Amino acid sequence: NAGVTQTPKFQVLKTGQSMTLQCAQDMNHEYMSWYRQDPGMGLRLIHYSVGAGITDQGEVPNGYNVSRSTTEDFPLRLLSAAPSQTSVYFCASSLGTGSGGELFFGEGSRLTVL
Amino acid sequence: AQKITQTQPGMFVQEKEAVTLDCTYDTSDPSYGLFWYKQPSSGEMIFLIYQGSYDQQNATEGRYSLNFQKARKSANLVISASQLGDSAMYFCAMREGPSGGSYIPTFGRGTSLIVHP
Repeated sequence: NAGVTQTPKFQVLKTGQSMTLQCAQDMNHEYMSWYRQDPGMGLRLIHYSVGAGITDQGEVPNGYNVSRSTTEDFPLRLLSAAPSQTSVYFCASSLGTGSGGELFFGEGSRLTVL
Repeated sequence: AQKITQTQPGMFVQEKEAVTLDCTYDTSDPSYGLFWYKQPSSGEMIFLIYQGSYDQQNATEGRYSLNFQKARKSANLVISASQLGDSAMYFCAMREGPSGGSYIPTFGRGTSLIVHP
C-alpha cells in the first residue's frame, strides 16, 4: 500500500552541492512528474516522464536533471544547488491517458539551500 | 499566460456554511480534465474531485461539487456545510489531452480557505 515514496523528506545543502531526490511508485503508472512548490506560486512542473526511457521538460527545468530507467523510479538530480532551489518538491504519478489522469503524490521533500 | 487562474488568494467561511472557490482555465484542446486538490497544513496533497471536458453533469464527491461552466471556462469548487477540517490550501489543476497535451496537470496558485467556528 506504499503508493508514491519520496526520499529524503528534509535536506539542507550548501550552494554548489549536488544531490538526488528519490521517487518510487508501485502502482505501475506510466506517467511520473516532479513539481516544486513555492509560497504564492502553486505547484510548478519541473520535469515529467510518460514512460521508461522518455522524459521531457516542464515549466521550470533549469538546474534539474531526470532519468527514467524503470517504470517504478524517477529520480530528480540537482547538479549544483542554488539558494533559488530552496523549495518543497513533490513527485507524482498517474495513469496518464486512463481514468482521468488523477495525480498520486508523494509526501514531499523540503529542500533548503544555504 | 497562465493556464489556470485562481483569483482568490484567501477565503473565509463560517462553519456549516457553503463556500465557492473560483477557478478559470485556458485551453484550446477539446479534451481536457480538471482537478481540485486540498493541501492541509501537514503538507500532503489530497485529491478531491475530477471533471472531464466531455462530462455532461457536474462532478460531485460527498460535500464537494465542481461547478463546470464550459463556455465560460470555469471550474469552481463548491464545498457545502464547511467544517473546521476544511481549512487548507486548495489547488485547481488542468491536464490537457491528446491534441498536443502531455496529460501532466498544471496547477493554479491556490486559495487559502479558513473556516471559522
